Amino acid sequence: QVQLVESGGDLVKPGGSLRLSCEVSGFTFSDYYMSWIRQAPGKGLEWVSYISSSGRTIYADSVKGRFTISRDNGRNSLSLQMNSLRAEDTAVYFCARDRGFTYFDYWGQGTLVTVSS
Amino acid sequence: EIVLTQSPDTLSLSPGERATLSCRASQSVSINYLAWYQQKPGQAPRLLIYGASSRATGIPDRFSGSGSGTDFTLTISRLEPEDFAVYYCQQYGSSPRTFGQGTKVEIK
Repeated sequence: QVQLVESGGDLVKPGGSLRLSCEVSGFTFSDYYMSWIRQAPGKGLEWVSYISSSGRTIYADSVKGRFTISRDNGRNSLSLQMNSLRAEDTAVYFCARDRGFTYFDYWGQGTLVTVSS
Repeated sequence: EIVLTQSPDTLSLSPGERATLSCRASQSVSINYLAWYQQKPGQAPRLLIYGASSRATGIPDRFSGSGSGTDFTLTISRLEPEDFAVYYCQQYGSSPRTFGQGTKVEIK
């Protein structure tokens, strides 16, 4: 069955950096687009970043220039490099299978990023 | 950016009752590119509906979606105990893709 498992969440100080990973199984990773979506504590969902099967990337304005999404098709792995972190980046970060920059049909359980001094 | 407003914020119902959730867009959603998700506490969202009315794989037929343009509805025909959760709509007709703020369906 399809599984997505995020890791890398942690407590980090403002201005710091963190790298999230998402290990995927149960489908041919290289064939699919992927996204990161976040949810601040007690809040709704916010799409963060997208990567196509060929590596084209798109970012939300709120993270553009600070976050970098990448993928390793050989390792079935998705990553999110987060730099210059701010308090407002505090959230649970989900990786999700993206049906061609449309809806998200499978999600991981999420990893918590806390930005605080 | 398309803003999605869901109503009501909270819906208090009993098992067996019908739930009707609304999602209104600030501008027309192209080609009914709207999805619905269910999220339970501490869990990832689960895709229920895409294309405004197509059920995702494995979703029971008590869940149905309808609507077009700026007004969309998720209907749960008869609430089961496992249906009490938060529901989000999401549009993918224009970039950036956006979500509504959620409707919580709670047990009355």
